Amino acid sequence: LAKTTQPISMDSYEGQEVNITCSHNNIATNDYITWYQQFPSQGPRFIIQGYKTKVTNEVASLFIPADRKSSTLSLPRVSLSDTAVYYCLVGPNSGYSTLTFGKGTMLLVSP
Amino acid sequence: DAGVIQSPRHEVTEMGQEVTLRCKPISGHDYLFWYRQTMMRGLELLIYFNNNVPIDDSGMPEDRFSAKMPNASFSTLKIQPSEPRDSAVYFCASSFSQGVGNTEAFFGQGTRLTVV
Repeated sequence: LAKTTQPISMDSYEGQEVNITCSHNNIATNDYITWYQQFPSQGPRFIIQGYKTKVTNEVASLFIPADRKSSTLSLPRVSLSDTAVYYCLVGPNSGYSTLTFGKGTMLLVSP
Repeated sequence: DAGVIQSPRHEVTEMGQEVTLRCKPISGHDYLFWYRQTMMRGLELLIYFNNNVPIDDSGMPEDRFSAKMPNASFSTLKIQPSEPRDSAVYFCASSFSQGVGNTEAFFGQGTRLTVV
């Protein structure tokens, strides 16, 4: 399994764009990058997944450079309700090793 | 669909008692996962099933823990006997193997277990 490294915590203000970067230097050719969000007292929720370049959905964008050794989750114009823990997972999309969670990044959005 | 349903939401038990946690996955999903979350250890994968068959139970901490999936719509995680260090939030999740590029798992609300 590729090891992931992400900041333990980040602070932001409402309306700002937040970028959370995850390092995965040992990513394998068939690995995908997946991000989950977890609110207090709830289970994690899938946000976005990608393999290379850029992926965008209604919630976030995921930027993956050509070497794929890192990825950046971008949350546009955050609100207080985006305060949560964000997990970066890396692994093949079979065998479910992608569902091994690390420590995550605690994002705190202030007014 | 109501999503993944876990019961009970909260459980307080005395050390040495048997505890059974229950999970109803989303209909049609063929993968089911059990996780445990604590402040110290984060989210740990305990075991997962595919088509009701246990595939990987290497995360189960010890023999006091057991999990079953008698059919596609029900799974249990049992701890016998329970110990204070088992206190945690236990999550069940399910997913559908949709092929390349999609491993979205849906989590339940969790069961907060307190062993005193």
